[in-house]
Amino acid sequence: QVQLVESGGDVVQPGRSLRLSCAASGFNFNKYFMHWVRQAPGKGLEWVALISHDTSHIYFADSVEGRFTVSRDNSKNSLFLQMNSLRTEDTGVYYCARQYVAGYSLDLWGQGTMVTV
Amino acid sequence: EIVLTQSPDTLSLSPGDRANISCRASQSAGSYLTWYQQKPGQAPRLLIYDASNRASGIPARFSGSGSGTDFSLSIGSLEPEDFAVYYCQQRSSWPPVLTFGQGTRLEIK
Repeated sequence: QVQLVESGGDVVQPGRSLRLSCAASGFNFNKYFMHWVRQAPGKGLEWVALISHDTSHIYFADSVEGRFTVSRDNSKNSLFLQMNSLRTEDTGVYYCARQYVAGYSLDLWGQGTMVTV
Repeated sequence: EIVLTQSPDTLSLSPGDRANISCRASQSAGSYLTWYQQKPGQAPRLLIYDASNRASGIPARFSGSGSGTDFSLSIGSLEPEDFAVYYCQQRSSWPPVLTFGQGTRLEIK
C-alpha cells in the first residue's frame, strides 16, 4: 500500500527539541523529493522543508531556518525532521509529503502528527 | 518569494451550484500551479497540478485554468462531499520553496 506515516509528535516546552519521523511504503522512496508541511490549529498550510532524493538539495522556510534540520534514510524508507529551539508558534500538525516525480506538486501526504509547544 | 492570494476567503453555495475560486500570484511562475482539497481532520489531497491537469481519481467536475499570475479552480455541480477548504500552491524558481495560498472555505449555504 502506497502511504506515508508520520510519528513523533508530542507536547514539549519552549526551547526543547523534538524529532519527527515519516515512514514510506509502497513506492520507490529513494527516487522522490520529500517535503514537510505544517498547519497551525485552525490555520492554513505552511511549507517547512524540502529534501531531494539524494540529499544534495535541502531548503527550509525562513521561519525554521537554523532551528530545524531534515534528513532521510533511503535504506529504511524514512524521512526525519529534527526540530530544535522550539517556539510556541511551531505548534501544529506536521505532514510529510511526496513531491510528484514530474513536477512541483505534492501528490501523497501522510496523516500528520501533532506537535504542541 | 511568491505570494499567493486566494479569493474569496469563504464561498457559500448550495449542492448543484458551480464554484469558482481564484488564486493570484505576486509574480509569474508559468503554469506550475497546484490545487488541493482539505476536509476537517484530514490531510490535503491533490486535485489539480500544472494549472489544469486533474490528479488521478479526481472527478471531471473539478477543473483548473490559468497561467502566469492568474489561476482559477472551478467545481461544476457541487456534490455534498465537495464542501471543504481549497488551497493553491506554487513553487518559486529559486530557491525552490513552496508557497500556499491562505485557503478558501467552501461552505454549504
